[in-house]
Amino acid sequence: EVQLVESGGGLIQPGGSLRLSCAASGFTVSSNYMSWVRQAPGKGLEWVSVIYSGGSTYYADSVKGRFTISRDNSKNTLYLQMNSLRAEDTAVYYCARDLYDWGQGTLVTVSS
Amino acid sequence: QSVLTQPPSASGTPGQRVTISCSGSSSNIGSNYVYWYQQLPGTAPKLLIYRNNQRPSGVPDRFSGSKSGTSASLAISGLRSEDEADYYCAAWDDSLSGPNVVFGGGTKLTVL
Repeated sequence: EVQLVESGGGLIQPGGSLRLSCAASGFTVSSNYMSWVRQAPGKGLEWVSVIYSGGSTYYADSVKGRFTISRDNSKNTLYLQMNSLRAEDTAVYYCARDLYDWGQGTLVTVSS
Repeated sequence: QSVLTQPPSASGTPGQRVTISCSGSSSNIGSNYVYWYQQLPGTAPKLLIYRNNQRPSGVPDRFSGSKSGTSASLAISGLRSEDEADYYCAAWDDSLSGPNVVFGGGTKLTVL
């Protein structure tokens, strides 16, 4: 059974950094394309980033240069390193496999 | 403002058939598959339709998807109270800055 469990969210001040993790089971992260999608409170879904099985990465313009997606094949885990955080980055962050299977999300709140 | 356009709301009575539209462009819906998601309050999005009209196992055949040109639609027949949720369409977009996923703004379905 495919399972995705995000962690690492929390309250962080503007300008701070946070690393989100997405522990996967039931499949191999490196064999799929993996995405991060976020949802601000009361808002719709917004795609953040993707990493392909070959290692190529792409980002939404809103996070380019500040966020980095990566994976650790030995831990079968996906990451999202978030730097220079802004209030508008406040959202629930979901990881997704091939846009099929989604985790339960982790809340990131950027506030002073 | 979302790249894909959905009506903000839709409604129907139990047993009715409702459709939700999703309009895009040649760079997204016109050249890539469409996905549909159901999101119940406080939960992660759940995949309903992939590759325009395919249902994952476990999704009732009351849900169906279609695509024509740069538009797509989700149909729900035999509407039930538990179908009350937010529905999102999504598609990959072949932008100049690289592939990215675009979402509709979401449609809140009310079962009267």
